[in-house]
Formats: sequence, C-alpha cells, structure tokens
Amino acid sequence: ELKVEQNPLFLSMQEGKNYTIYCNYSTTSDRLYWYRQDPGKSLESLFVLLSNGAVKQEGRLMASLDTKARLSTLHITAAVHDLSATYFCAVDANTDKLIFGTGTRLQVFP
Amino acid sequence: KAGVTQTPRYLIKTRGQQVTLSCSPISGHRSVSWYQQTPGQGLQFLFEYFSETQRNKGNFPGRFSGRQFSNSRSEMNVSTLELGDSALYLCASSLTRASYMNTEAFFGQGTRLTVV
Repeated sequence: ELKVEQNPLFLSMQEGKNYTIYCNYSTTSDRLYWYRQDPGKSLESLFVLLSNGAVKQEGRLMASLDTKARLSTLHITAAVHDLSATYFCAVDANTDKLIFGTGTRLQVFP
Repeated sequence: KAGVTQTPRYLIKTRGQQVTLSCSPISGHRSVSWYQQTPGQGLQFLFEYFSETQRNKGNFPGRFSGRQFSNSRSEMNVSTLELGDSALYLCASSLTRASYMNTEAFFGQGTRLTVV
C-alpha cells in the first residue's frame, strides 16, 4: 500500500531564511502534487509534477520531483509571513485516488 | 469559472443520525473524489466517482456511501453517525483521473461536520 511521508511535521522559521520540506513515497508514481491549506480553509493547489526531474517555481516556492528516489521537495526561499500555512504533498499511484502526506505546518516569524 | 461548491458548509448532528453532503464540481469535470480530514488521521480518501460510477473506495465502513448524478454532482451519505465522524469533508473535482495530462484536483471549501 502506498505510503507518503513528509518531514518535518512542524517548521518554525525566521523571515528571510530558506528551508526545504521533503516528501517521500513508497511505490512507483510519476504524479505528485503540492497543496497549501490555511487554518479552517480548503486545499489550494500549488504545483503539479508529472514526470521525473520536473521542477516548478511560483514566487518563493519551488517544487521538484525525483521519481527514481521517490522524493519530492518543496523549497522555500526568503520566507515571508504570508507563507505561514500547512503544506501537503499528495501522490497519485494510478489508482484514481490521492494519498496525502501528514502535512508540514509552517510558521514564519519576524 | 465557478469552483467546486460544497453544501452545507457547517453541520451539527447527533450520534445515530444520518447526514448527506453535496458537491458540485467545476463545469466540465467528470471526476469527483471525497476526502475526510481529521487532526488525528489527516487527509484520507473516501471514494471517487466518474460518470456516475464509483471507481475506487477507501478503507471506511459501509456507513459511508456516495453517488454521482448525470450532471456530475455528487453526494455522500453517512449513516448512524459516531462521534469519530466529526471531521472536515472535502470534495475534489478533476477532468478525469484516468487522464495523464489532466489529473489536477481542485478542492471545495469543505463541509465541517460535528457530531455531538
């Protein structure tokens, strides 16, 4: 059964700093998604990664996918307070369902 | 274009009752999936419908059921509610989950169900 692990679970970082969130998954898949969730809100799609080596960037966030290592990363550059949220990765293993990671709760402080 | 619409947004029910939640997908999207989100278990897949057929089901008891109508709108039903069913229920729509290029899922605002 597909398992998706994210780390860290919690991340408290200072504004202006860089950090990376990691997403490991247990079976072959070449479709991985990153979502953002604000408290009490729904999931907002950030990135769709559909092939090995895929890299996508939006503002201060950059996501990459290594299907051979079964690893995706979400890199945060020069964090700002507005990035405070919970970030989820999700993997689609061709089973018509998304398996979500545990989420990384990010808090950015001044 | 309009996003995924879920109704109601909030519900309070008593143990033993049943509840029906509704989801209207983005126009043109034919796949609807349901997820349960709780602090303890995180986001868990419930089921997925495409063209009125359930294509996949998660590990939930039979009290959880769903259906999809010809206009792609979907409903999920939970019977004999338990305290542990309290959760945020999220619906996601996509063009088709079988399509390699169009598998992005868009989520609705969710229905927060509280069972007392």
